[in-house]
Amino acid sequence: GAVVSQHPSRVICKSGTSVKIECRSLDFQATTMFWYRQFPKQSLMLMATSNEGSKATYEQGVEKDKFLINHASLTLSTLTVTSAHPEDSSFYICSASPRGAGDEQFFGPGTRLTVL
Amino acid sequence: AQSVTQPDIHITVSEGASLELRCNYSYGATPYLFWYVQSPGQGLQLLLKYFSGDTLVQGIKGFEAEFKRSQSSFNLRKPSVHWSDAAEYFCAVGVPRGGYNKLIFGAGTRLAVHP
Repeated sequence: GAVVSQHPSRVICKSGTSVKIECRSLDFQATTMFWYRQFPKQSLMLMATSNEGSKATYEQGVEKDKFLINHASLTLSTLTVTSAHPEDSSFYICSASPRGAGDEQFFGPGTRLTVL
Repeated sequence: AQSVTQPDIHITVSEGASLELRCNYSYGATPYLFWYVQSPGQGLQLLLKYFSGDTLVQGIKGFEAEFKRSQSSFNLRKPSVHWSDAAEYFCAVGVPRGGYNKLIFGAGTRLAVHP
């Protein structure tokens, strides 16, 4: 139980294009979903937190217009990297917290984004 | 500001040997502490967590961790390492925010296991 999937696992895109990453909780309803960014050999940094049906809360320094987050249902959140540039290349990881289990986060396998 | 330090970037141990991964945190209140393991192609998996109570916490896969407030540490231990334990290990502190914890991660320790 408590499985979180991400799609795609890898994506390569040209500079200036937009990329959408999906995060799904497969066997539970997620009241809260989180998006992290992980640089090589570094820790995960929280980018934003989203609750179903409401606007995402972004961490300081994260551009809201660059990283669009939608949490349209209790099982799906999407992260869209708009007008991607090479410096956006990174490993993006989502996690989801089940309804009623606010302290537990279950993580997806991550998406490797490469912007050429 | 809250932070987590994992002093060891890489650790190599022989299979069957004991293991200790270090974690130090900076947090003004009683911390919520976590250890996660990350294997290639898989999401981070929670090994164990400390919220309160007994300072020696037992987790999955034979891991345990001890919370030492005086040292601001939460070191992860395993008495006998298996080859399948090779992975990246992350310590995290949870900062309460309403109904959830914001996780602040350390930089991770990559564990290699020699046969």
